Amino acid sequence: EPEVTQTPSHQVTQMGQEVILRCVPISNHLYFYWYRQILGQKVEFLVSFYNNEISEKSEIFDDQFSVERPDGSNFTLKIRSTKLEDSAMYFCASWFRGLAGSNEQFFGPGTRLTVL
Amino acid sequence: DQQVKQNSPSLRVQEGRISILNCDYTNSMFDYFLWYKKYPAEGPTFLISISSIKDKNEDGRFTVFLNKSAKHLSLHIVPSQPGDSAVYFCAASFSSGGGADGLTFGKGTHLIIQP
Repeated sequence: EPEVTQTPSHQVTQMGQEVILRCVPISNHLYFYWYRQILGQKVEFLVSFYNNEISEKSEIFDDQFSVERPDGSNFTLKIRSTKLEDSAMYFCASWFRGLAGSNEQFFGPGTRLTVL
Repeated sequence: DQQVKQNSPSLRVQEGRISILNCDYTNSMFDYFLWYKKYPAEGPTFLISISSIKDKNEDGRFTVFLNKSAKHLSLHIVPSQPGDSAVYFCAASFSSGGGADGLTFGKGTHLIIQP
């Protein structure tokens, strides 16, 4: 069964450093998303991406964040200068865009980002 | 600003009995609702969904009920099995966004199935 994959599973970085989190969405899916979950809190939407551009972003997704689809398979989230509060699980998701009105997104296993 | 609320952090149910997980939402613009299941160290796994034009959707042991007037939905699992022990997230979206909008999640309910 096709699945969303993410690398690395765990990333440790120093405050102020840049990190790139990588995702390979399901191959025939059209919409791609990033979410984060700070420990003990709910999963929060960061950004959606369609047709090689950002569709929507939340207030969390500030200028420190960027997304890119550098080739036909990878989807990346870059944090330019990490802060302690960026420590969280980051989930990538994708959606085929099937039935009108549906929105079943499929999630990857997540990358745990630890900022020291 | 909790637009999607799951008021029970945890729920214990005996194996074989019915598990009922509840979810409330405040934004009447939501028109598509989903339930996800999450094991530790894994991403959320899609379980079942329902459009606001329906009040019930069933898939095997899982049934989701939607009460739009009360802005409430519930997930029923019958019969409950040990493998159902996980955190269950309720999520909502606006289909009018065509998929661009992210899902709004509740905080989750940790379901524990006891033998």
